[in-house]
Amino acid sequence: DAGVIQSPRHEVTEMGQEVTLRCKPISGHDYLFWYRQTMMRGLELLIYFNNNVPIDDSGMPEDRFSAKMPNASFSTLKIQPSEPRDSAVYFCASSLRSSGKNTGELFFGEGSRLTVL
Amino acid sequence: AQSVTQPDIHITVSEGASLELRCNYSYGATPYLFWYVQSPGQGLQLLLKYFSGDTLVQGIKGFEAEFKRSQSSFNLRKPSVHWSDAAEYFCAVGISNFGNEKLTFGTGTRLTIIP
Repeated sequence: DAGVIQSPRHEVTEMGQEVTLRCKPISGHDYLFWYRQTMMRGLELLIYFNNNVPIDDSGMPEDRFSAKMPNASFSTLKIQPSEPRDSAVYFCASSLRSSGKNTGELFFGEGSRLTVL
Repeated sequence: AQSVTQPDIHITVSEGASLELRCNYSYGATPYLFWYVQSPGQGLQLLLKYFSGDTLVQGIKGFEAEFKRSQSSFNLRKPSVHWSDAAEYFCAVGISNFGNEKLTFGTGTRLTIIP
């Protein structure tokens, strides 16, 4: 069974360019999370969706960041315009909360390493 | 707001020796606690979790953790480490009824194994 799939794995871009990161969650999962990992700040939750609806985007650093989930099998995180301080590894994770049961487990993708020059 | 502290940034252990990684949390109610492991270039993988009940929980790869409410701790242990255990370990606390909606992660502990 395929896990969470992220693309691209690596992205190098110049300041001011638009960056789009993509995520395909595990089929059937109803939660999707975007995290950012840096040396200075560790793992930060940016936004999460439940059944494709954004629930909490309080972790999104600023208006340059946006995320969408047009359907249950696809999500994007967009940065426009990008800045050097956005350089980080961005992780997508999904999880399942079925009625009366919760595994509590987040399944992470392998991450997208973004470098903004 | 909840928070997690992992006081040890880096730990070095000899192969075959025992291991304990510390985790302290701050949260007003009963927390949902997790340990995740991250190998280089990989995403995070769940080792174990505590929701309720028995305070000693067993996880994958021979790891266990003990929830101590009085100390607000959830330390991870392994009796004998293997070279393949070298990785970064993250403690996390969840606050919702289902525990996984807004996980707050600690800053991680990097584990190095020496022969």
